[in-house]
Amino acid sequence: QITLKESGPTLVKPTQTLTLTCTFSGFSLSTSGVGVGWIRQPPGKALEWLALIYWNDDKRYSPSLKSRLTITKDTSKNQVVLTMTNMDPVDTATYYCAHRLGGALLDYWGQGTLVTVSS
Amino acid sequence: QSALTQPASVSGSPGQSITISCTGTSSDVGGYNYVSWYQQHPGKAPKLMIYEVSNRPSGVSNRFSGSKSGNTASLTISGLQAEDEADYYCSSYTSSSTLEVFGGGTKLTVL
Repeated sequence: QITLKESGPTLVKPTQTLTLTCTFSGFSLSTSGVGVGWIRQPPGKALEWLALIYWNDDKRYSPSLKSRLTITKDTSKNQVVLTMTNMDPVDTATYYCAHRLGGALLDYWGQGTLVTVSS
Repeated sequence: QSALTQPASVSGSPGQSITISCTGTSSDVGGYNYVSWYQQHPGKAPKLMIYEVSNRPSGVSNRFSGSKSGNTASLTISGLQAEDEADYYCSSYTSSSTLEVFGGGTKLTVL
């Protein structure tokens, strides 16, 4: 059974760096074809892709946020970490991590974590 | 502005069928059979309902079906039930970006 869970701060101040951890079980991020992605959703708004890391350490980023994002994996700990610098109130959102099995195929999602950016 | 266009809302009565459209371009929906649909209830994480245009994951009701014509993908829900009331998002692989794209979402109301 595949599960994912996001963890990190619920409140960050403007200009701070956000670090979120996705801890997963039921699969290995060293298995060919597998990826873990981060997607966010501002309150009342649509889903937005942030970043994706593949089993082979290939990394993809949202073009509009690329300069602020870093995604890494620790295969031994079954974790994927996302950092986002220079946080702004518009970054207030629920942040999800998800297991990616193929093209546009996110078959398992974490419960999400709400991050509020406010001074 | 989302890369894929969905109607903001659709509605239907119990037992009826509804269809939600997802319009893209030849660089995404029209060019690849990598279109997925997700259901999201309030306060919950999205749930995969359809992948690769028309495939249902195990456990998803056969009342949900997907199709594609040209640059537009569609999700059809037949025999509407109260529990189907949720937001629905389409997603597609795209050659125009490093990541896939989502639609703006459609709120389904069961009258």
